[in-house]
Amino acid sequence: AQRVTQPEKLLSVFKGAPVELKCNYSYSGSPELFWYVQYSRQRLQLLLRHISRESIKGFTADLNKGETSFHLKKPFAQEEDSAMYYCALMLRGQGGSEKLVFGKGTKLTVNP
Amino acid sequence: DAMVIQNPRYQVTQFGKPVTLSCSQTLNHNVMYWYQQKSSQAPKLLFHYYDKDFNNEADTPDNFQSRRPNTSFCFLDIRSPGLGDAAMYLCATSAHPVPPGYTFGSGTRLTVV
Repeated sequence: AQRVTQPEKLLSVFKGAPVELKCNYSYSGSPELFWYVQYSRQRLQLLLRHISRESIKGFTADLNKGETSFHLKKPFAQEEDSAMYYCALMLRGQGGSEKLVFGKGTKLTVNP
Repeated sequence: DAMVIQNPRYQVTQFGKPVTLSCSQTLNHNVMYWYQQKSSQAPKLLFHYYDKDFNNEADTPDNFQSRRPNTSFCFLDIRSPGLGDAAMYLCATSAHPVPPGYTFGSGTRLTVV
């Protein structure tokens, strides 16, 4: 079955500490993975996608097909990083349809 | 700003009374999605429109329907809301096959009393 697992419901770190939010996936094809973020009282928004190999707000995520993981990392957490983070897997069907399947999310709290 | 707008932000409805949630977009995206998100759970796709083509998820209850009268608007109709339908409903758009990435609305929180 195609699924996304975020094992940590809550994660708390201190400002300046490294942070890693875990994401594992199950997918038979070539995966397309994303991280979405939701700050307090704001809408869900795209943070980064693995195909772009980009760094956004100091966050990076590397796809590890051997471990079926797409963990989100930042070397030095900031208080403004406190938010809900969702890992998502793109499923592509016949006829060009596509849809995102989300993990349950990890709530990151960065303490001063 | 071009965006995805959901109205209302909060909706209270009575048990069994039909309710409609609306979503509009100024992005001219060809795909529109409706997700249901219950507390502490992942957003769950209910259905989506690829242009005018409706794609229902296999496990979406018949109680949930959708309409897309034009590119800009998409509606979620709940014919007979039950207490279990209380949730946040998220609308999202994407421009397929342009590089993927959804744009989400702020959501409508539905309460059933």
